[in-house]
Amino acid sequence: GAGVSQSPSNKVTEKGKDVELRCDPISGHTALYWYRQSLGQGLEFLIYFQGNSAPDKSGLPSDRFSAERTGGSVSTLTIQRTQQEDSAVYLCASSLVSGWGTPLSSGNTIYFGEGSWLTVV
Amino acid sequence: DAKTTQPPSMDCAEGRAANLPCNHSTISGNEYVYWYRQIHSQGPQYIIHGLKNNETNEMASLIITEDRKSSTLILPHATLRDTAVYYCIVRVAGFGNEKLTFGTGTRLTIIP
Repeated sequence: GAGVSQSPSNKVTEKGKDVELRCDPISGHTALYWYRQSLGQGLEFLIYFQGNSAPDKSGLPSDRFSAERTGGSVSTLTIQRTQQEDSAVYLCASSLVSGWGTPLSSGNTIYFGEGSWLTVV
Repeated sequence: DAKTTQPPSMDCAEGRAANLPCNHSTISGNEYVYWYRQIHSQGPQYIIHGLKNNETNEMASLIITEDRKSSTLILPHATLRDTAVYYCIVRVAGFGNEKLTFGTGTRLTIIP
């Protein structure tokens, strides 16, 4: 597709249930990012994947959160035993990767999907 | 710990130029200035980026001061659809995969 695709666009789940959110990055983009944004708050970095390297998980808020990226393309963010404070929009983004220190071109731009709205009731 | 400072909100009359300032006094020589905007809670939309030269594209112009400690995003003829939160972000030129750290941004309201 032309852009980053996320599904589902909306999800309502009961507290304590597990949820999976899916992200299809732009074709050919090797870097993939997950962010979340709670209502009225800023964007919070969660996790980042780059090729076959170990992911940067420094933003994951708890061990209930995990993510994987299969085949270097599609990624799934999993939230186990959801809590009400997990309610937020979860945003996925992707970008191309070039060489170290090369001028950042529009090709390295990070493009975002429209997000998955999660409501935990 | 965003490395940029922006006013929390601004208004601009429809049809006028909107000038959004950003301070990044601790910017390093290999860091770019990026601008994104977010309409409601849609995914952030890329606008423009630059290193030290002024840049222009179909959406906006970016003016960076000579000392690179501040910049201004200019929307030349603001429309109601430009109402959004605008984020100014510094991003290091590594492999082109460095994550973006968002601050609180400027909420721009275009007045009819």
